[in-house]
Amino acid sequence: EVQLVESGGGLVQPGGSLTLSCAASGFTFSKAYMSWVRQAPGKGLEWIARVKSRADGGTTDYAAPVKGRFTISRDDSKNTLFLHMNSLKTEDTALYYCASRNWGWGQGTLVTVSS
Amino acid sequence: DIQMTQSPSSLSASVGDRVSITCRASQDIRNDLGWYQQKSGKAPKRLIYAASSLQSGVPSRFSGSGSGTEFTLTISSLQPEDFATYYCLQHNTLWTFGQGTKVEIK
Repeated sequence: EVQLVESGGGLVQPGGSLTLSCAASGFTFSKAYMSWVRQAPGKGLEWIARVKSRADGGTTDYAAPVKGRFTISRDDSKNTLFLHMNSLKTEDTALYYCASRNWGWGQGTLVTVSS
Repeated sequence: DIQMTQSPSSLSASVGDRVSITCRASQDIRNDLGWYQQKSGKAPKRLIYAASSLQSGVPSRFSGSGSGTEFTLTISSLQPEDFATYYCLQHNTLWTFGQGTKVEIK
């Protein structure tokens, strides 16, 4: 059974940092392109970052609102995806999902940026 | 960047109705498009991939069509469990979601 389980969300002050993790199982994680998608309260889905498989270069891409502040990375030895978030803003408050186009989505982890 | 324009943003329909939702891409994305259903508090669930292929386990009342820049999700006979928000997602160049369509009970 494919599983994607996010963790690491919480309450953080503006300007702070947080790292999210996504533990994957049930598929060959190392071959998958992985993304982070977020959903602000009451809003739609927003793609924010992607990392390719190592075989395809392991390169990363970011949406404009997070470029320069967020870093996506992966540890294929641990089947884990990460999102390192710096300089957090109140508008980063959202439910953060890890997702694979072919393998599905996690249930999300909530990040709240507030003083 | 590829923009996806989804319409309508919401619709009211009755059980048994035929419902269609449209997504337009700002440039040719071939058939690199999926349709997702999201119910309140849940992660999105893929219904359609490659524009017109039905995801395993998804009822056959859901269908997708289109290629290039115009795509349609059709629910042939709306069921009570279909009341949800639907999103298109292009994956031709990175990912872009449509704005979503909330399907409500009439």
